[in-house]
Amino acid sequence: AQSVTQPDIHITVSEGASLELRCNYSYGATPYLFWYVQSPGQGLQLLLKYFSVDTLVQGIKGFEAEFKRSQSSFNLRKPSVHWSDAAEYFCAAPNQAGTALIFGKGTTLSVSS
Amino acid sequence: DVKVTQSSRYLVKRTGEKVFLECVQDMDHENMFWYRQDPGLGLRLIYFSYDVKMKEKGDIPEGYSVSREKKERFSLILESASTNQTSMYLCASSTIIAGNTIYFGEGSWLTVV
Repeated sequence: AQSVTQPDIHITVSEGASLELRCNYSYGATPYLFWYVQSPGQGLQLLLKYFSVDTLVQGIKGFEAEFKRSQSSFNLRKPSVHWSDAAEYFCAAPNQAGTALIFGKGTTLSVSS
Repeated sequence: DVKVTQSSRYLVKRTGEKVFLECVQDMDHENMFWYRQDPGLGLRLIYFSYDVKMKEKGDIPEGYSVSREKKERFSLILESASTNQTSMYLCASSTIIAGNTIYFGEGSWLTVV
């Protein structure tokens, strides 16, 4: 069955430092992959998505993600983190039927000054 | 912009009550979803609907039902609320095209006492 794993529950990064959030997936075919962000008390906002074309995907708010088939990974990166990036981040992929998304358990990002 | 509106942001209900969570989307999307979000568990799919009056069980449908009488509206029903259904509920919608973005509402916080 398809699964999405985010190995890091909580990460703290200094403001201005670079960020990488990890995501691993198991999927039979070439996947569609997504990163969403959730600010406290809010719904989820799409950051970026991968559609089997370019392996490096650019998103909103300066985020990017790289698809690596050999590692079954889709890690999210940002070169310089801002305090407003503190939030919970979710990686997602289609379920086996392709009818909905399955989500990782999320990574909470804290930004220290 | 796509808008998914969850009419109730915060609800407090008593054990055994029947609870309705309402969701409306304004983009003529075929698919609508209800997810449940709990700390450390990420988002889990309760039900989804791909057309009016059509529904499919997700990963955790027990204790829930849904109704979709109009394309734009998808309701989640807790027939007899229990304390273990205290959670954040997220409604979402998308087109039927595989890999298309799923858009989320802001969530409904339900507390069952």
